[in-house]
Amino acid sequence: NAGVTQTPKFQVLKTGQSMTLQCAQDMNHEYMSWYRQDPGMGLRLIHYSVGAGITDQGEVPNGYNVSRSTTEDFPLRLLSAAPSQTSVYFCASRSSTGTYEQYFGPGTRLTVT
Amino acid sequence: AQTVTQSQPEMSVQEAETVTLSCTYDTSENNYYLFWYKQPPSRQMILVIRQEAYKQQNATENRFSVNFQKAAKSFSLKISDSQLGDTAMYFCAFMGPARTGTASKLTFGTGTRLQVTL
Repeated sequence: NAGVTQTPKFQVLKTGQSMTLQCAQDMNHEYMSWYRQDPGMGLRLIHYSVGAGITDQGEVPNGYNVSRSTTEDFPLRLLSAAPSQTSVYFCASRSSTGTYEQYFGPGTRLTVT
Repeated sequence: AQTVTQSQPEMSVQEAETVTLSCTYDTSENNYYLFWYKQPPSRQMILVIRQEAYKQQNATENRFSVNFQKAAKSFSLKISDSQLGDTAMYFCAFMGPARTGTASKLTFGTGTRLQVTL
């Protein structure tokens, strides 16, 4: 099992550019989420999904889009990058049963200049 | 909305000593889940320990244990026999009851940076 994978690991964007952060899991988990981590603020939820075709907003959704066409993949799109989106992004997944442990990817460090 | 508070931004402990990290939370739910995650410099998020609110017994995992006080909404982490490899950021997190909207997401505290020294 690869667990939760994220690409890329690092990315630098210019203001106004768009990009997609990729996230994939091979554990057949129903739940997937995107968080951002900023200094002194812990991790905050951006968007989440409870299954293919179902997504919802988290605490800080503005400037981000998601879709979930398969159980395995949950990409995060930045439509027009802003310096305020400079952060570390984590994707996570968990099963709908069992221990409810969330499994995290290794993170993507994004810098917007 | 749920909130999680970690009031100790930084702590230091000597190797082999015991340290306790504090966490309080606010919720109107009766059943929920609490977690402690460790984030070493590699930035990987690693689950340390979990606690189900309906269980009165405090969870333990080797050198890690929690003091769960449901009425006080307190969930502290005790690390015994501290090791240099315990140096990391530690996050307390809350998840709501299963099969509800809040079960889809974790609410995190702001973290405690723990330094283990020789």
